[in-house]
Amino acid sequence: DAGVTQSPTHLIKTRGQQVTLRCSPKSGHDTVSWYQQALGQGPQFIFQYYEEEERQRGNFPDRFSGHQFPNYSSELNVNALLLGDSALYLCASSLSRGSYEQYFGPGTRLTVT
Amino acid sequence: RKEVEQDPGPFNVPEGATVAFNCTYSNSASQSFFWYRQDCRKEPKLLMSVYSSGNEDGRFTAQLNRASQYISLLIRDSKLSDSATYLCVVTSTSGTYKYIFGTGTRLKVLA
Repeated sequence: DAGVTQSPTHLIKTRGQQVTLRCSPKSGHDTVSWYQQALGQGPQFIFQYYEEEERQRGNFPDRFSGHQFPNYSSELNVNALLLGDSALYLCASSLSRGSYEQYFGPGTRLTVT
Repeated sequence: RKEVEQDPGPFNVPEGATVAFNCTYSNSASQSFFWYRQDCRKEPKLLMSVYSSGNEDGRFTAQLNRASQYISLLIRDSKLSDSATYLCVVTSTSGTYKYIFGTGTRLKVLA
């Protein structure tokens, strides 16, 4: 049973560029959440997708956008990258019903130079 | 005030010791609570959910005190492999179960 997968594992971008991160949820899960984790901090909620719609959003600017596909996989897009966007981006999958436990992928480490 | 607060540590304890972490949360209507473990540069892994009646999983015991708005994690007979950061998680009340993380408590178990 495959767990949550994310790609790429590492990425280096320049300020002002755009980036797309990808996530495939755990088998059977239908909800995907994205988090940003800066060094030394806990993960911060970006947004959550369910039934291909953004269901809830954290305190992140519109430069952060996402998408969920019919197979429940998801993308996170960040436009006009800033140095402060350098972080570990984590995807978590869960079931829309039940215990709501979230399972995390290995993350994508984004460095903006 | 932060929504979820943890002592960042580090907690340095000898092998075999018992160690306890607390975490406080500000929203009294929070619904679900979890402890996650995160190793250096890895993803958080679910350690245990925290139930109102308290729950135990081997050497780990989690407790919830709704009146005082804190949760705790007790680790007995610490192993070297328990060295990690322990993240307290509280869910929002919106019904979508957005996770709110604490900053984590670092534990180092010493030989």
